[in-house]
Amino acid sequence: DGGITQSPKYLFRKEGQNVTLSCEQNLNHDAMYWYRQDPGQGLRLIYYSQIVNDFQKGDIAEGYSVSREKKESFPLTVTSAQKNPTAFYLCASSNQQGSGYEQYFGPGTRLTVT
Amino acid sequence: GDSVTQMEGPVTLSEEAFLTINCTYTATGYPSLFWYVQYPGEGLQLLLKATKADDKGSNKGFEATYRKETTSFHLEKGSVQVSDSAVYFCALSRHTGNQFYFGTGTSLTVIP
Repeated sequence: DGGITQSPKYLFRKEGQNVTLSCEQNLNHDAMYWYRQDPGQGLRLIYYSQIVNDFQKGDIAEGYSVSREKKESFPLTVTSAQKNPTAFYLCASSNQQGSGYEQYFGPGTRLTVT
Repeated sequence: GDSVTQMEGPVTLSEEAFLTINCTYTATGYPSLFWYVQYPGEGLQLLLKATKADDKGSNKGFEATYRKETTSFHLEKGSVQVSDSAVYFCALSRHTGNQFYFGTGTSLTVIP
């Protein structure tokens, strides 16, 4: 089955530690995205990548970093510089061909930093 | 810039009631429009989409019609079930630039 996997489902870290969230897709999509969702809030774009070895900042990139070394993988690192990292993180991908460009989402990772 | 505005929740309905969740958009050109659903603790799932004016997207009893004249894409369902309880997001994308714009989400609770 094609889809997007995010691991782990729940992640706990101490303040001051960097943490990397995994996102893998086997949909052969060119574009991948990271969003942050806070309780009762909508989605805010952190970073996105349209091709391998290239990525752009979204609306809230400060305190985060990404890499795109392979088409199927787009890991997100939450650094100690992120002031309020506890949130639900969603990875998505889309195919830039054809019309519609719908995004497909992974199941999310809930990060708790104490 | 492009944006999506959807009605604020939470919305609480009795089972078998009629559902409308309003969504309006601002965009240059002719965007594609989407409704996504998010169940508790999960990612978003595409519910339906429409790629041009007057298109009607439908899935699982939900419908939405792309109205260019009113820049709207309201979500409707004739008879909701308890299992429809979730958060619903309206979204748009333009066919260039590969950017997505989400509304803030509307929480729906259906009571038996």
